[in-house]
Amino acid sequence: GAVVSQHPSWVICKSGTSVKIECRSLDFQATTMFWYRQFPKQSLMLMATSNEGSKATYEQGVEKDKFLINHASLTLSTLTVTSAHPEDSSFYICSAETGGEAGNTIYFGEGSWLTVV
Amino acid sequence: DAKTTQPNSMESNEEEPVHLPCNHSTISGTDYIHWYRQLPSQGPEYVIHGLTSNVNNRMASLAIAEDRKSSTLILHRATLRDAAVYYCILRDLNTDKLIFGTGTRLQVFP
Repeated sequence: GAVVSQHPSWVICKSGTSVKIECRSLDFQATTMFWYRQFPKQSLMLMATSNEGSKATYEQGVEKDKFLINHASLTLSTLTVTSAHPEDSSFYICSAETGGEAGNTIYFGEGSWLTVV
Repeated sequence: DAKTTQPNSMESNEEEPVHLPCNHSTISGTDYIHWYRQLPSQGPEYVIHGLTSNVNNRMASLAIAEDRKSSTLILHRATLRDAAVYYCILRDLNTDKLIFGTGTRLQVFP
């Protein structure tokens, strides 16, 4: 099946700094990618929809100035957590779909652990 | 977004079949039923999806009720590697989003 890769797998950063997480579709082009956040023992929470060549669409309650999303190419979307705080520590997961229809399959990356100290 | 209801947890013995139920009484005609599973500290893994007809693949089978208000994921012979949280999700044609519920934590015993 299609492969979605995230980098880094884990990162530790100091409070107040920014950190960037990359999401790549390795063998297909993805016009749409999704970013999720997952806290321990909880389900995935959709943060935003990343559209290639246009602005991301954020879910209600997600600060767009804090979680910057850039989808500059058909194979790469990035999530930048700006001015990170300990409460931003979480498991961040991206996904990408192979087409633009609800019947298409969405593939997920391996996830990226962010720890803010 | 249409919601799904799943049991919080289920148990199975190795090599036995497992039937994971999902209720989605508010499903619309254009919602696809997707199943994903997630192992600890990993991203979700695609299992299967369907619209109206039952579906089979190498991982599992998906049985969809005639009125589409419920579905069942069938693992024909559970293995220890099948222990995971299984998510039943309705994907809206209009939004393309996958909204995760709480899922079912499947435990498999040797």
